[in-house]
Amino acid sequence: DAGITQSPRHKVTETGTPVTLRCHQTENHRYMYWYRQDPGHGLRLIHYSYGVKDTDKGEVSDGYSVSRSKTEDFLLTLESATSSQTSVYFCAARGTERGDIQYFGAGTRLSVL
Amino acid sequence: QQQVKQSPQSLIVQKGGISIINCAYENTAFDYFPWYQQFPGKGPALLIAIRPDVSEKKEGRFTISFNKSAKQFSLHIMDSQPGDSATYFCAGGNTGKLIFGQGTTLQVKP
Repeated sequence: DAGITQSPRHKVTETGTPVTLRCHQTENHRYMYWYRQDPGHGLRLIHYSYGVKDTDKGEVSDGYSVSRSKTEDFLLTLESATSSQTSVYFCAARGTERGDIQYFGAGTRLSVL
Repeated sequence: QQQVKQSPQSLIVQKGGISIINCAYENTAFDYFPWYQQFPGKGPALLIAIRPDVSEKKEGRFTISFNKSAKQFSLHIMDSQPGDSATYFCAGGNTGKLIFGQGTTLQVKP
């Protein structure tokens, strides 16, 4: 998965608990993205980062926050998980040397009960 | 609106046949149109991509046809193989951000 590691790969949690998903990349890509994948919706952008400490909202950012303190790590936090956040979460990264190509991790399957 | 609409939702093709997946976009500022392939339990991986200055791009058995005036593009898989069975996503974007279609699950029967 192009040097992109997501952890954990699976998580079950309860409504109202905070959850943090981690994305780690080894290719020194400048841009990183968090998506969620749901049946019938494809992939929807949650948040993205264009550099260390530089982040911005995507189309479905409510209930999520992100942080990027190092180039290689991009964290997604669900402040208070809800059942509607049950989904598969994908991290992607993009460098500048190959234009617009986004490389995806293997995903994290999150279930909120 | 920045939607990308993809059809069909699912597709069954016989081995050796042609698979065709269609997408329509709304944002005329999009300047990059990739197709991603995803196998179960894996992340999406870039299959082929096109810029709006060309009408067609071919890589092996995979071809993108692009119609700028109609704001539509399609993926053609020639000589479809069982190993092509996967979910395919089209996308449109610019400035590094992508809007994805809803996905098409392709099953190629032996």
